[in-house]
Amino acid sequence: SYELTQPPSVSVSPGQTARIPCSGDALPRQYGYWYQQKPGQAPVPVIYKDIERPSGIPERFSGSSSGTTVTLTISGVQAEDEADYYCQSADSSGTMVFGGGTKLTVL
Amino acid sequence: EVQLVESGGGLVQPGGSLRLSCAASGFTFSNYWMYWVRQAPGKGLVWVSRMNSDGSSTSYADSVRGRFTISRDNARNTLYLQMNSLRVEDTAVYYCAREPAAGGLDVWGQGTTVTVS
Repeated sequence: SYELTQPPSVSVSPGQTARIPCSGDALPRQYGYWYQQKPGQAPVPVIYKDIERPSGIPERFSGSSSGTTVTLTISGVQAEDEADYYCQSADSSGTMVFGGGTKLTVL
Repeated sequence: EVQLVESGGGLVQPGGSLRLSCAASGFTFSNYWMYWVRQAPGKGLVWVSRMNSDGSSTSYADSVRGRFTISRDNARNTLYLQMNSLRVEDTAVYYCAREPAAGGLDVWGQGTTVTVS
């Protein structure tokens, strides 16, 4: 079955830039989406269609795509950004797939 | 306010059944494809099922196909998930979510907890 691969964890200091990659063979043909999830809460979309930011999401959140990898970048990380981040896309048949998630730790 | 509210979770024995509901408000429910996504304790998000806007098309993850049935009542603005032959590994928080035209899932419910034990 199709998989999206993310690193289990990323750590950064406040004010630094965090980059979370997500790789998958179908990503050149399918959009990537990103969700932030804090403990005990539902996921919140932070990036859609690879690079678009929903209204209300801070500008420090951005997305990019290159080949088989989409990347979530958080510039000037703040303590409140500490959370789990999930990428999501679709396989060649359009079936939704999530990455395994990345725990972002703000040191 | 756009909102999704799940209900129907609980504790059930292996082999038992539950029906989850997801009540939608604040938007035209019948215009949207809807999804169920689950999250086992301490684990990641997993897609479970989806239904198109008029209910004519469904899709299921391999792990639940033949045991779970997704349905919707557009007149009642409600999405359902009938879960039969439940297994311990179905224990999870179940979220319903909306898919907009841009794809992805832009609105999520707060989740309902299913425990199979």
